[in-house]
Amino acid sequence: QVQLQQSGAELAKPGSSVKISCKASGYTFTSYYISWIKQTTGQGLEYIGYINTGSGGTNYNEKFKGKATLTVDKSSSTAFMQLSSLTPDDSAVYYCARHDYYFDYWGQGVMVTVSS
Amino acid sequence: DIQMTQSPASLSASLGETVSIECLASEDIYNNLAWYQQKPGKSPQLLIYYASSLQDGVPSRFSGSGSGTQYSLKINSLESEDAATYFCLQDSEYPYTFGAGTKLELK
Repeated sequence: QVQLQQSGAELAKPGSSVKISCKASGYTFTSYYISWIKQTTGQGLEYIGYINTGSGGTNYNEKFKGKATLTVDKSSSTAFMQLSSLTPDDSAVYYCARHDYYFDYWGQGVMVTVSS
Repeated sequence: DIQMTQSPASLSASLGETVSIECLASEDIYNNLAWYQQKPGKSPQLLIYYASSLQDGVPSRFSGSGSGTQYSLKINSLESEDAATYFCLQDSEYPYTFGAGTKLELK
């Protein structure tokens, strides 16, 4: 069955970076893009961007350009998102999702907390 | 960006009732609309895609309809497990955007 297994919760200091992972299984990894979504109580769900898992090409929401960097390791069927120059506003749950026009399968989410 | 206005923000209904949730897009999204269910502490689960197509394994009491800028999710014969937050997603144009969510409470 399709599974997206994300890495564990992160506690980070302001100004630092974190890199979270999303390991896919149960399907041909390079047949679908992987997208990333941010969820907060205040802002709801926000689309960050996607990565073409075959070519490594990316598309970012303008709001997250410079904040998020998406990469992929085809050999391990894993997608990554690095968040840089963290501020408290980056505290959220971050999801990866398999992208087939819509998002049909989601990872379990990673809680990122930014605090000094 | 396409704005998705979802209503109501919250809803209280009894077991066996039928409820509807609406999403209004700021421009035509050509049926490129998905609906999700999310329970506390869990990731979203796809219910409906392309406005009215039922995802495999989703009970038939869930249905979607609409066109152009107006879309709705209908849940027939509410069951206790339907208590959750529901939200819409437009996948017509990047950046994809979500509705703010509807919290469904069962009386």
